[in-house]
Amino acid sequence: GAGVSQSPRYKVAKRGQDVALRCDPISGHVSLFWYQQALGQGPEFLTYFQNEAQLDKSGLPSDRFFAERPEGSVSTLKIQRTQQEDSAVYLCAIRDRRNEAFFGQGTRLTVV
Amino acid sequence: KNEVEQSPQNLTAQEGEFITINCSYSVGISALHWLQQHPGGGIVSLFMLSSGKKKHGRLIATINIQEKHSSLHITASHPRDSAVYICAVKGDEKLTFGTGTRLTIIP
Repeated sequence: GAGVSQSPRYKVAKRGQDVALRCDPISGHVSLFWYQQALGQGPEFLTYFQNEAQLDKSGLPSDRFFAERPEGSVSTLKIQRTQQEDSAVYLCAIRDRRNEAFFGQGTRLTVV
Repeated sequence: KNEVEQSPQNLTAQEGEFITINCSYSVGISALHWLQQHPGGGIVSLFMLSSGKKKHGRLIATINIQEKHSSLHITASHPRDSAVYICAVKGDEKLTFGTGTRLTIIP
């Protein structure tokens, strides 16, 4: 969606491979969220940043998942030693000062 | 039981029909979002509301805070309205999503 760019759009990874998913929001948005959407399901919360601070990572499913936003703008979600159950669409979202939500197009990760 | 329940899960209707999608939630919220997701994954926010009713074109969203229920209505439905419609509630910071309603409008 307008204001949030995610890359890559599609990623195929071999089981055990590490992947890095990027979210590049329009500058000036303080709050950034990562969500995971399994096929046929609604998105589920992974983690949340306010500027560079990761304020909530309670949704990360395992310690193989790691997210960062070092300069308070671009964020990267890293998944180490990918497993088949990690296959999903990973969505990045920002929230503006009116609390409106804007979503990226998502990265569809397929682990084979 | 999910915190956000949507019904129906799937809905097929003829072009021109009036469409209603329902959302019930069980937690305290500060706002409720209706979202549209087309094949390919992109999500677009249709409405954000915390009380009453909002209208945008052929779309109408209502919320009843006391009953913890919201509805999304589409008037004069069109095949281009075919998509997945997702209800999401905002508690503290994050959004909690329903599983979505897949709407198909047949010409």
